[in-house]
Amino acid sequence: EVQLVESGGGLVQPGRSLKLSCAASGFTFSNYGMAWVCQAPTKGLEWVASISTGGGNTYYRDSVKGRFTISRDNAKNTLYLQMDSLRSEDTATYYCARHGLNWELDYWGQGVMVTVSS
Amino acid sequence: DIQLTQSPSSMSASLGDRVSLTCQSSQGIGNYLSWYQHKPGKPPKPMIYYATNLADGVPSRFSGSRSGSDYSLTISSLESEDTAIYYCLQYDEYPLTFGSGTKLEIK
Repeated sequence: EVQLVESGGGLVQPGRSLKLSCAASGFTFSNYGMAWVCQAPTKGLEWVASISTGGGNTYYRDSVKGRFTISRDNAKNTLYLQMDSLRSEDTATYYCARHGLNWELDYWGQGVMVTVSS
Repeated sequence: DIQLTQSPSSMSASLGDRVSLTCQSSQGIGNYLSWYQHKPGKPPKPMIYYATNLADGVPSRFSGSRSGSDYSLTISSLESEDTAIYYCLQYDEYPLTFGSGTKLEIK
């Protein structure tokens, strides 16, 4: 069974950093691209970032470029999102998701809440 | 960036009704469009891949179709558990983009 379990969320002050983790199991992690998707309170879903199987290719939405870094450790079956220079508008539930073979998002974690507030 | 316009933004229908939700793309994306069902407190659930393919475990009353740049998610006979927000997602090019969602309620 495919499982994605996020951790690392919480309350953080504006300008500070936070690192999210996503532990994957039930599939060969190194064979799949991965992504982060967020949903701000009362808003819709937004794609945040994606990473290729080996980690050599990364992609970001404009609003997080230069502040967020997606990475992965295939030996540990874990996906990360390093979030720096956080802003109040980054407040959201962050979901880890797997890219399927045609790059659709086919499995999702339960999500982790990030609140940026002073 | 590719924009996906979902309509209607919200709707209510009766049990047993046939319901169609629409997602229009601002650019050609081929069949690289998927649909997700999202309920409060739960992660989005994949419903349709590649415009027309039913995801694993999704009831056969759900179907996806495409006409040019217009994509539809159809529920042939609405059930109470179908109450949710439905989002479309294009994964043809970066940045990946979601539609703004259609909130579906039962009358």
